[in-house]
Amino acid sequence: AQKVTQAQTEISVVEKEDVTLDCVYETRDTTYYLFWYKQPPSGELVFLIRRNSFDEQNEISGRYSWNFQKSTSSFNFTITASQVVDSAVYFCALSPWGAQKLVFGQGTRLTINP
Amino acid sequence: DAGVTQSPTHLIKTRGQQVTLRCSPKSGHDTVSWYQQALGQGPQFIFQYYEEEERQRGNFPDRFSGHQFPNYSSELNVNALLLGDSALYLCASTRGGSPLHFGNGTRLTVT
Repeated sequence: AQKVTQAQTEISVVEKEDVTLDCVYETRDTTYYLFWYKQPPSGELVFLIRRNSFDEQNEISGRYSWNFQKSTSSFNFTITASQVVDSAVYFCALSPWGAQKLVFGQGTRLTINP
Repeated sequence: DAGVTQSPTHLIKTRGQQVTLRCSPKSGHDTVSWYQQALGQGPQFIFQYYEEEERQRGNFPDRFSGHQFPNYSSELNVNALLLGDSALYLCASTRGGSPLHFGNGTRLTVT
């Protein structure tokens, strides 16, 4: 069975602080995908990133960066110099290779205060 | 370029009734998936449709059924509604191996 755990239910920081959202996953598959989605109050899930299990290179996109460590089954997400517009619920998700069947974590509600 | 559109936005039903939710995929997408998101939880996979057939199914009872039309749009039907079916229902579309694009969802309240 696959499982995604986001231990941080809520995080609140002041604007311009850096913040890291943790994600730990469990799977018996040797190949799989990992995702991060953002859910603003509108409800739509906004795709942020997808990584495959054999590519452990860290990735940076503007103020966003992701750290994938297969040895610890973690896929953490860092926002540098946070902004109020980053406030949302963030979900980490896992899917089997070749199957678009996502297993989501419980989500982390991130609040950026001005 | 329209994204994934869902209707209605909100819906209130009584326990025991039946409900139909609708989804139009993003332009160019041919695969539609449905997810249920209870309040404060992550979305849970219900099923996926491709070529008008259910291809994958999550751990949901047969009260949950769906359909995909030749234009790739999709419906989610839920029979014999229970209070526990109250949730945000999200539709997502994709084509090939591209990441899922989600709609804004339909908020279903069962009283």
